[in-house]
Amino acid sequence: EDQVTQSPEALRLQEGESSSLNCSYTVSGLRGLFWYRQDPGKGPEFLFTLYSAGEEKEKERLKATLTKKESFLHITAPKPEDSATYLCAVQVAGYSTLTFGKGTMLLVSP
Amino acid sequence: DAGVIQSPRHEVTEMGQEVTLRCKPISGHDYLFWYRQTMMRGLELLIYFNNNVPIDDSGMPEDRFSAKMPNASFSTLKIQPSEPRDSAVYFCASTLAGVGYTFGSGTRLTVV
Repeated sequence: EDQVTQSPEALRLQEGESSSLNCSYTVSGLRGLFWYRQDPGKGPEFLFTLYSAGEEKEKERLKATLTKKESFLHITAPKPEDSATYLCAVQVAGYSTLTFGKGTMLLVSP
Repeated sequence: DAGVIQSPRHEVTEMGQEVTLRCKPISGHDYLFWYRQTMMRGLELLIYFNNNVPIDDSGMPEDRFSAKMPNASFSTLKIQPSEPRDSAVYFCASTLAGVGYTFGSGTRLTVV
């Protein structure tokens, strides 16, 4: 069974304090790993897709990396507006569905 | 593009009543997914369609749940009869060729 585990469940940072969120996965043939951001009362918003180990993608203060067993979302010098829940999801080769982790709730204080 | 549109945004109903949730996917997308989100279980796939045809409904929790997609621009998720444990946020998402999901804003369902 495909499994996605995110850690920590919640993270509190001071503005400017860099950190990383983890997503570990167990799947039989990875097609892609996805990162989403979800704000309260809204649907998940797409951030990145990673397809192969060693791949990295960046967007503003966020950088996502991928290995054969896990992905990291690095947040550099976060701002309060980065506060949200970050969701990781995997897509298995040959399938169109996404299996999500439970997310990491990030709070950045000024 | 207006994105994926869901209605209603909030629904409060009494146990035993029928509930219908609606979704309009992004024009041109050929896949449509229904997910349910709770604190305990996170986002769970209920059912998905490809070109209006249901492909996998193994995530539908019980026979009380049903979903239809009569055309490429509309889908419904129906719960009959509703129970308090159905309370959750229900999301619809669409995608082209199974890549890059776009989610709607969700329907928050409360069954009392």
